[in-house]
Amino acid sequence: AQTVTQSQPEMSVQEAETVTLSCTYDTSESDYYLFWYKQPPSRQMILVIRQEAYKQQNATENRFSVNFQKAAKSFSLKISDSQLGDAAMYFCAYRSARDDKIIFGKGTRLHILP
Amino acid sequence: DGGITQSPKYLFRKEGQNVTLSCEQNLNHDAMYWYRQDPGQGLRLIYYSQIVNDFQKGDIAEGYSVSREKKESFPLTVTSAQKNPTAFYLCASSIRRARGTEAFFGQGTRLTVV
Repeated sequence: AQTVTQSQPEMSVQEAETVTLSCTYDTSESDYYLFWYKQPPSRQMILVIRQEAYKQQNATENRFSVNFQKAAKSFSLKISDSQLGDAAMYFCAYRSARDDKIIFGKGTRLHILP
Repeated sequence: DGGITQSPKYLFRKEGQNVTLSCEQNLNHDAMYWYRQDPGQGLRLIYYSQIVNDFQKGDIAEGYSVSREKKESFPLTVTSAQKNPTAFYLCASSIRRARGTEAFFGQGTRLTVV
């Protein structure tokens, strides 16, 4: 069975600084997708960034980028120039290409310090 | 507007009663999911369905049941066998087996059992 582990329950970063959230996963599958979602206080789940396992190039979306290390089964999220609106819960997710199962980690609560 | 609708937003039930949470989508997605969110536990997968009339257990299916009679609908029943049903429940949907496609989420239902 696949698992997703986020080892940082909470993190804080100064506004305008850079922060990295960690995620590791375990799977025996070779084809899968990885995602980072953001959940603000409204509790609406918002996609931040996605990565396809067969692509070696790390995904980027404006201030958000990932460091995808397939051999190490690591998928960290880097947020540059942190803004107050980035304060939220961040969840790492794994999607199986075989059966569409999607599982999440326990999340990291990110605080932005003004 | 296309989207996923969960109703009601808040639900109260007495202990020992079954309760059904509604999830409807008009995105023409084949795959649908139910998650439970508790503080510090992230999103845990209850059930998921890839196509109509088929569904699979997730990691915490005990005490829950689902049906998938229509593509648009994936109701979740919380039975009296669920020992601690009070939680926030999220429904999601996605295109099936499409590369890199994320899940889209509803607004959630907060269930309180008294």
